[in-house]
Amino acid sequence: GAVVSQHPSRVICKSGTSVKIECRSLDFQATTMFWYRQFPKKSLMLMATSNEGSKATYEQGVEKDKFLINHASLTLSTLTVTSAHPEDSSFYICSPRSGTPGSNEQFFGPGTRLTVL
Amino acid sequence: RKEVEQDPGPFNVPEGATVAFNCTYSNSASQSFFWYRQDCRKEPKLLMSVYSSGNEDGRFTAQLNRASQYISLLIRDSKLSDSATYLCVTSTGRRALTFGSGTRLQVQP
Repeated sequence: GAVVSQHPSRVICKSGTSVKIECRSLDFQATTMFWYRQFPKKSLMLMATSNEGSKATYEQGVEKDKFLINHASLTLSTLTVTSAHPEDSSFYICSPRSGTPGSNEQFFGPGTRLTVL
Repeated sequence: RKEVEQDPGPFNVPEGATVAFNCTYSNSASQSFFWYRQDCRKEPKLLMSVYSSGNEDGRFTAQLNRASQYISLLIRDSKLSDSATYLCVTSTGRRALTFGSGTRLQVQP
């Protein structure tokens, strides 16, 4: 399967700080990137969808000014949680989709566990 | 109402048992269906796709009933290593995958 890296794997920060999460597709080009978050014992919830070079589309209830997504290249996307608060503590997972024609397969990064104190 | 509904469990079964999970989905535009497995604090991993004709992969059998919007997963001869959360997942095609909240399985020695 495809190789996707996500960094950092775990971060603990103080309330009010910003945290940047990087997601890289190492052996394929990701024309589309999905960002999910997962609260304990809950399902993965889609936060936003971004296409390379375009602005992200956010799901209802997800603040675009709080969760900044940059998808500047086909192998790198970042999610920045600005002014983090304890309720933002969650497991954030990136999910790139290959741009190969006919391929709709979604891959997953290993996730970033964010704890906001 | 959640788009993909699953019994959260947990299902506690002895090694060697057969266990079945069910899932219903509400979006009739769903075109693709999957079972994913998620271990604690890890990303989900594709277990198998699900087809209307039913499909089998070793000890795992998946079924799809489009008319009832119902998906199932059967695990035979459960192993300790099967302990995980099983996620029912649908897709309409171009949009992102939609996940159920998962069914937790604990296989006991």
